[in-house]
Amino acid sequence: SQQGEEDPQALSIQEGENATMNCSYKTSINNLQWYRQNSGRGLVHLILIRSNEREKHSGRLRVTLDTSKKSSSLLITASRAADTASYFCATDLNDYKLSFGAGTTVTVRA
Amino acid sequence: NAGVTQTPKFQVLKTGQSMTLQCAQDMNHEYMSWYRQDPGMGLRLIHYSVGAGITDQGEVPNGYNVSRSTTEDFPLRLLSAAPSQTSVYFCASTAEMGTQYFGPGTRLLVL
Repeated sequence: SQQGEEDPQALSIQEGENATMNCSYKTSINNLQWYRQNSGRGLVHLILIRSNEREKHSGRLRVTLDTSKKSSSLLITASRAADTASYFCATDLNDYKLSFGAGTTVTVRA
Repeated sequence: NAGVTQTPKFQVLKTGQSMTLQCAQDMNHEYMSWYRQDPGMGLRLIHYSVGAGITDQGEVPNGYNVSRSTTEDFPLRLLSAAPSQTSVYFCASTAEMGTQYFGPGTRLLVL
């Protein structure tokens, strides 16, 4: 069964705006990861946040983790057309087996 | 450094046929996985391997076999294809920190 659930399922924003998506999960985790998938392509790793971390940045990406609420958020700032993709959260239960959510589809309008 | 490669990119099978999806990685990673991706369901783990000679079942293993004779290769075998196995299949290789590197995928259509 899928551990993570992303919200919203779909998001449409104007170029230059910020995009925020959330992930909720059910059990304790070792780490949580975010991946991007462009249409028809494989997944690309964006960022990994460990269970003892609360926030992490990578370029225009900001990820937060709240283990007490079992939730994470991914913020993309100053979005670009190239950010159009599906974004997945994946939870690692300490055995390298990742459990993926169904994803958030982000469309950035020019 | 090619990363993770998968062949074929696209395949059409008839019900009952068998085939092998190939996956190879050149990063010397011990841990490799096979997933299937269906619309609206994200990725589901089929089988995984923690090293040469060691494999185990994931969430949806029925109808699939794997083997791991070398660190580099991790083929996935469909024993007798069924329409329910129509999907996109991804192979992934895991780095020490847990980050997974995905191949480009194999689109499989079973008629």
